[in-house]
Amino acid sequence: NAGVTQTPKFRVLKTGQSMTLLCAQDMNHEYMYWYRQDPGMGLRLIHYSVGEGTTAKGEVPDGYNVSRLKKQNFLLGLESAAPSQTSVYFCASRSRGPDTQYFGPGTRLTVL
Amino acid sequence: DQQVKQNSPSLSVQEGRISILNCDYTNSMFDYFLWYKKYPAEGPTFLISISSIKDKNEDGRFTVFLNKSAKHLSLHIVPSQPGDSAVYFCAASEAYSNYQLIWGAGTKLIIKP
Repeated sequence: NAGVTQTPKFRVLKTGQSMTLLCAQDMNHEYMYWYRQDPGMGLRLIHYSVGEGTTAKGEVPDGYNVSRLKKQNFLLGLESAAPSQTSVYFCASRSRGPDTQYFGPGTRLTVL
Repeated sequence: DQQVKQNSPSLSVQEGRISILNCDYTNSMFDYFLWYKKYPAEGPTFLISISSIKDKNEDGRFTVFLNKSAKHLSLHIVPSQPGDSAVYFCAASEAYSNYQLIWGAGTKLIIKP
């Protein structure tokens, strides 16, 4: 039981490049989330999904897209990376109701 | 407008003593509160939670207190241990928003030997 995994762990991009971050969970959770964490700030929600095939915008969605084609996977895409997207990205999942969210180990992204 | 605030960026406590981490919120609709712990280069891990119908919840060395009238919650760690050194995040949610979490900025707890 791996919980929540994220790929890759580290990535360096040049401005304008694109990439996809992959999140996978093996807990059969309905809800999945993508957050970013910047120094001195709490986690900010980028996008989330309440089930397979559904996605919704969070607090800071601009510059990102997501897809949830399979229940266990949640992809975060950057179409044209900008230095402001340098951050640590966390994926999380939870089951229905006020249950706790379970987090992946994070992806550290640097955009030059 | 920060709905969840942790006003202390860092806190230093002697090993064996009590650590008290504080969190304030502004949204009276929040009905579920959680504390997460985060070590460097790892994702946050759940520590303890409390529903708004309670004012206290205990789990071993960790106790969370909720004061709804003051819109304040606190996490007590007794006794503090070196392994407790980490960043602690407070988060809040409400059923209306499908329990999306709103996070505080975190407090870095340092336990001194």
